[in-house]
Amino acid sequence: RKEVEQDPGPFNVPEGATVAFNCTYSNSASQSFFWYRQDCRKEPKLLMSVYSSGNEDGRFTAQLNRASQYISLLIRDSKLSDSATYLCVVPNGGGGFKTIFGAGTRLFVKA
Amino acid sequence: EAQVTQNPRYLITVTGKKLTVTCSQNMNHEYMSWYRQDPGLGLRQIYYSMNVEVTDKGDVPEGYKVSRKEKRNFPLILESPSPNQTSLYFCASSLFGGAGDIQYFGAGTRLSVL
Repeated sequence: RKEVEQDPGPFNVPEGATVAFNCTYSNSASQSFFWYRQDCRKEPKLLMSVYSSGNEDGRFTAQLNRASQYISLLIRDSKLSDSATYLCVVPNGGGGFKTIFGAGTRLFVKA
Repeated sequence: EAQVTQNPRYLITVTGKKLTVTCSQNMNHEYMSWYRQDPGLGLRQIYYSMNVEVTDKGDVPEGYKVSRKEKRNFPLILESPSPNQTSLYFCASSLFGGAGDIQYFGAGTRLSVL
């Protein structure tokens, strides 16, 4: 099992739709998680952090399920500008101070 | 402005010609890291550094060297580049590298090895 696995993309959704991505992790000792957004091979930028059960920021909600070892990202009322690749990140996911990234999920929001 | 700066942004070189990609951060961060990104594989960690003179291997260290002689700088060295090192490289830094730390990324370096 990979240390961090994400839903394979791409997700193609119309504007206004609700879409959800999942990310599973293997290191049960991981305490915090992040969702980063990456536009067209530019640098990843932080979208949300998840330290406990979940986090909400406007149209974005991240949830953590420790028992099943996954985190999810929910995007409501999708905008064209949400089209990007979403990366799940587990700091220390490889043990010690290694950071493990998921391979990313591509989202395309269409008019 | 707080930032991570990588140079060069684009580089084309030939097999075997040593090169260095520089990375500098102005946030007084302890933790710095190098990643490579290849299609379908996401970002993979090459090396990271917890502090000056403290470095450790990530998942894909073969063919790379790093050094951390100053807190702000973390250069990536390819002693003898090969075509399989053609990739998009990112440098990142965070406060301490702890589980709750947010990493800030440079703009990336596109490297092609012919």
